[in-house]
Amino acid sequence: GENVEQHPSTLSVQEGDSAVIKCTYSDSASNYFPWYKQELGKRPQLIIDIRSNVGEKKDQRIAVTLNKTAKHFSLHITETQPEDSAVYFCAALSPGYALNFGKGTSLLVTP
Amino acid sequence: DAGVIQSPRHEVTEMGQEVTLRCKPISGHNSLFWYRQTMMRGLELLIYFNNNVPIDDSGMPEDRFSAKMPNASFSTLKIQPSEPRDSAVYFCASSTGGDYGYTFGSGTRLTVV
Repeated sequence: GENVEQHPSTLSVQEGDSAVIKCTYSDSASNYFPWYKQELGKRPQLIIDIRSNVGEKKDQRIAVTLNKTAKHFSLHITETQPEDSAVYFCAALSPGYALNFGKGTSLLVTP
Repeated sequence: DAGVIQSPRHEVTEMGQEVTLRCKPISGHNSLFWYRQTMMRGLELLIYFNNNVPIDDSGMPEDRFSAKMPNASFSTLKIQPSEPRDSAVYFCASSTGGDYGYTFGSGTRLTVV
């Protein structure tokens, strides 16, 4: 099955700086790559996703990039704010299977 | 839409007892997923259903775990007998299927003492 690796496990940035989280996947058939944000004690919530026919997608301060050849994808958050502090999960979907999640990145944005 | 509804929100039970977790997916979503979240193992898929039929239960830890989906609006995850290592947050999620994101419920925090 699919195996998703996520790095780093923790990330601390100053307010206003950028944050980058990287993931790799193993199944070349994977075609859907969502990112979830989970605040403490809350449910994971979808923040952005990208499909295999697209290389980059942007939504305000958040962007995702996908490199199918290298089998990796990344989340970029610009102009970080304290409310961006949370655990972020990447995931990959192989056809016929369920989403396989990375282990998460705990992002701390300090004022 | 009320989203994915899970109950109970918290469950504390003694080792050996039966535990039943419940989930109501979003109306119109035909795929339902049960995940378990722990610090050590992250979000692990336990089982998922498509049109009420179990598709992949390879993540179910052992025979103590069972899941059912008797209709499109209800699913249960049962642990019998429960053990302390089952302590975790159990999330139910639903989707329209295919390459679309999942909507998660609020989760059930299970503590087995």
